[in-house]
Amino acid sequence: EAQVTQNPRYLITVTGKKLTVTCSQNMNHEYMSWYRQDPGLGLRQIYYSMNVEVTDKGDVPEGYKVSRKEKRNFPLILESPSPNQTSLYFCASRRTSGGPYYEQYFGPGTRLTVT
Amino acid sequence: GQNIDQPTEMTATEGAIVQINCTYQTSGFNGLFWYQQHAGEAPTFLSYNVLDGLEEKGRFSSFLSRSKGYSYLLLKELQMKDSASYLCAVRGPGGGSYIPTFGRGTSLIVHP
Repeated sequence: EAQVTQNPRYLITVTGKKLTVTCSQNMNHEYMSWYRQDPGLGLRQIYYSMNVEVTDKGDVPEGYKVSRKEKRNFPLILESPSPNQTSLYFCASRRTSGGPYYEQYFGPGTRLTVT
Repeated sequence: GQNIDQPTEMTATEGAIVQINCTYQTSGFNGLFWYQQHAGEAPTFLSYNVLDGLEEKGRFSSFLSRSKGYSYLLLKELQMKDSASYLCAVRGPGGGSYIPTFGRGTSLIVHP
C-alpha cells in the first residue's frame, strides 16, 4: 500500500530534550516536506527536500533541522524543543516528474506537546 | 507573499449543496489546491486547478478564476461524512520546488 508513515504519533516531552520524528514513504517520491498545523494558523511548511542531500527552508524553519540521506526517509529534528513547538506535525511527499506531480500525500500526523 | 481567505465555518443539511469560497492575493500563481481534512487526520487531496473554469470529480467540483483571484469548492448531495475542514492552498512560483501556501481552512458541519 502506498503510504507515508510517521513515528511517533503522539509525543509528550520536556523543554530542551532533543527529539526526532521519523517520516518514511514507499512511493519513491523525490519531494518530501514537513508541515506544522496550529489552530487558526493553518498548515505551514517547515522544511522541504527536492531529493537526497537537497533540503531547503520553508516558511517556519526556526528551531528545526532535517536531513535527507535516503530517498524514502526525511526525519525532523528538534535539537532543543520549546513549548511554542507544541503542534500537530505532518510529513508529506510527492513526485516531481513522470506523472501528476502536484498531489501531496500526507502522513497521519504527530501530535507533539512540549512542557 | 501570499494571502488566502476562506470562511472559518459553514453549516449545511444532508443532501444539500454547499459552496466554499476561497480568495487569494499572490505574488505569483501556479495553481490552486483543495484538500479535505477530517478532525485529527491527515489532509487528503481533492482537486487542483491551474486554468480557469470548472473541474468536476464526482460529487465535488472546483472552480477557478485567475483574473479575480477566486476559487470555490462545490459539494453536492452532502453526506454526514463530508463534515470536515476544507483547505484551500495556492501554489506559488518556483517550478518543482514550490512552497504551497495554505489557507486556515473552512470547517463544514453537515447536519441531518
